This record gives sequence, structure tokens and C-alpha cells, in this order.
Amino acid sequence: GNSVTQMEGPVTLSEEAFLTINCTYTATGYPSLFWYVQYPGEGLQLLLKATKADDKGSNKGFEATYRKETTSFHLEKGSVQVSDSAVYFCALSEEAGGSYIPTFGRGTSLIVHP
Amino acid sequence: NAGVTQTPKFRVLKTGQSMTLLCAQDMNHEYMYWYRQDPGMGLRLIHYSVGEGTTAKGEVPDGYNVSRLKKQNFLLGLESAAPSQTSVYFCASRGLSRRSNQPQHFGDGTRLSIL
Repeated sequence: GNSVTQMEGPVTLSEEAFLTINCTYTATGYPSLFWYVQYPGEGLQLLLKATKADDKGSNKGFEATYRKETTSFHLEKGSVQVSDSAVYFCALSEEAGGSYIPTFGRGTSLIVHP
Repeated sequence: NAGVTQTPKFRVLKTGQSMTLLCAQDMNHEYMYWYRQDPGMGLRLIHYSVGEGTTAKGEVPDGYNVSRLKKQNFLLGLESAAPSQTSVYFCASRGLSRRSNQPQHFGDGTRLSIL
């Protein structure tokens, strides 16, 4: 079956530091890959996505590249802000018998200090 | 544009009571999902629906029932609540596209405590 593994948190950084959150996956087919962000008290919202190998998804200064050879989709940001404090989820999705049941990682909490 | 709306936002129940959580989406999405989120466990799929009148079990369906009588609504029922069902419940929806790159859209959650 499919699975997504994320680095455990919390990740604690100072403002303007460089961020990397690792994500690796196993899949039976050729999935699409996603990063979602969850701010306190809210639901998940899409941060970025990538559909095929070597695609780079980007949004709000965050980037992630679909690496098929290493089955990875690491999230990066060059300079984090306090407002980036949230929980980040890596996920994959592929069609299976007419259904689309995404597989989520367990989430990585990011805390950014001023 | 409301997106995905969950009702209620908070609820406290006593063991053995029943209740229904409502999810409504205004994006004409075919797929709808119910998840629970517990500390350290990430999101776990309870039930899902691929269209009006259809439902299917997810990873942790025991103790829950669902119905999708209207395309825009997906109801999650607890017939006899147990303390182990204390959690934050999220509803999500997705469009019909057969491309796997369509994301899910989530509601803001229902925080349920069972005493």
C-alpha cells in the first residue's frame, strides 16, 4: 500500500532561518504529491502540489520538488516568518479503482520565534 | 464562497449519547470525506463518498455511520458515543476530475469531547 513519512517535529526556528521539512513516500503507481498547511484552530489548506517527476510546486515562498528517483518531496523556505508557525502535512494521491483516497503523513509542527 | 462548512464547531457529549455532524459544500464536488485528527496520529479516514447516495468505509469506520442523501451534504453519525471518540473531526471534498492532482478542500473542524 501507499505511505508517506515525514520528519517528526516540532521544528523550532528563529525568524529568517532556512526551513526544510523532509517527506518521503511509497506508492504503487505514479501519484501526485501535495503539501498542506494547518494553522491553529483551522482545517488543512493546500500549500503547493506537483504532478510529475522534477515538477516544482511553489507558493508563499515555499517550494518542493517531486523527486521520483529518491521518492521524496521535501518542503523548503529560504526565510521563515512567525506567521509560518503551523502544522505541515505531506500527502500523495493516485487513482485506485475509481476512487481518490489521499495518503497523509502524520504532520510536522513548525514553531518560529521572533 | 463558503467552501466546506462544518456544523457544529464544538460539542460536549456524555457517554452513550448520539449526535450527527453535518458537512456542507457549495463547490458541486463529487467526493466527500470524513477524517478524525488525534495528537500524534495525523489524519485518519473514517468514511468517504464518491457521489450522492454512495458511501464507503475508510481506515477507522467502527462506531460511526454516514449518509450522503444530497450531493452537497455528508453527515457523520455517532449512535452511542464513547470517550475514545473524543477528537477533532474534519470534512473534506474533492471535484470529480479523474486526474490525481486535484486537491481536497477542508472544513475548519468540529471539536468533540465525550465525557
